[in-house]
Amino acid sequence: DAKTTQPPSMDCAEGRAANLPCNHSTISGNEYVYWYRQIHSQGPQYIIHGLKNNETNEMASLIITEDRKSSTLILPHATLRDTAVYYCIVRVVILTGGGNKLTFGTGTQLKVEL
Amino acid sequence: DAGVTQSPTHLIKTRGQQVTLRCSPKSGHDTVSWYQQALGQGPQFIFQYYEEEERQRGNFPDRFSGHQFPNYSSELNVNALLLGDSALYLCASSLALEDRDNEQFFGPGTRLTVL
Repeated sequence: DAKTTQPPSMDCAEGRAANLPCNHSTISGNEYVYWYRQIHSQGPQYIIHGLKNNETNEMASLIITEDRKSSTLILPHATLRDTAVYYCIVRVVILTGGGNKLTFGTGTQLKVEL
Repeated sequence: DAGVTQSPTHLIKTRGQQVTLRCSPKSGHDTVSWYQQALGQGPQFIFQYYEEEERQRGNFPDRFSGHQFPNYSSELNVNALLLGDSALYLCASSLALEDRDNEQFFGPGTRLTVL
């Protein structure tokens, strides 16, 4: 799986958009970009994933550059409850049972403040 | 609909002892993965079970072993505990053959302390 690079920490004012960047310059054509977050003392939580098109769900938007070498996770209206470590992961998806490990880096600690 | 559950929540052991951690996957899921998360680090993949077999393994020694039962629940066993095994152990479940569009659901973890 390709390696990702994220800033170690970011701050965001409550109510503003939080834009979390991720660099994955060695991504290959069959690797998806996944985002998870981990609130303190809890298990990681899935946020969103994509291959090459931008994606949006009820939690966030994922913007992937045309060359797929980087992406940005956008939380449109950050709240205090969004304070967490955010992990960007790229991985090949194997369509058979038991072959889909997640390789986590150290992530970005997002702190949302009043 | 119950999510992923893990037991116990906390555990204290001494060096050299053995430990067994348990995980029940989210209803309808058939694949279980285990991760180790040291303080300040991201989770590290230990292994994944599907159809009661270990299908993929991370860079962990043979002291780490597991099992999956017919009801898809799973156990993680660690023998000859070392101080460095102190960590949060996370279980994640998913549904095979749908991983392209289906995320892994994580449990709350078991905090293991080795003294």
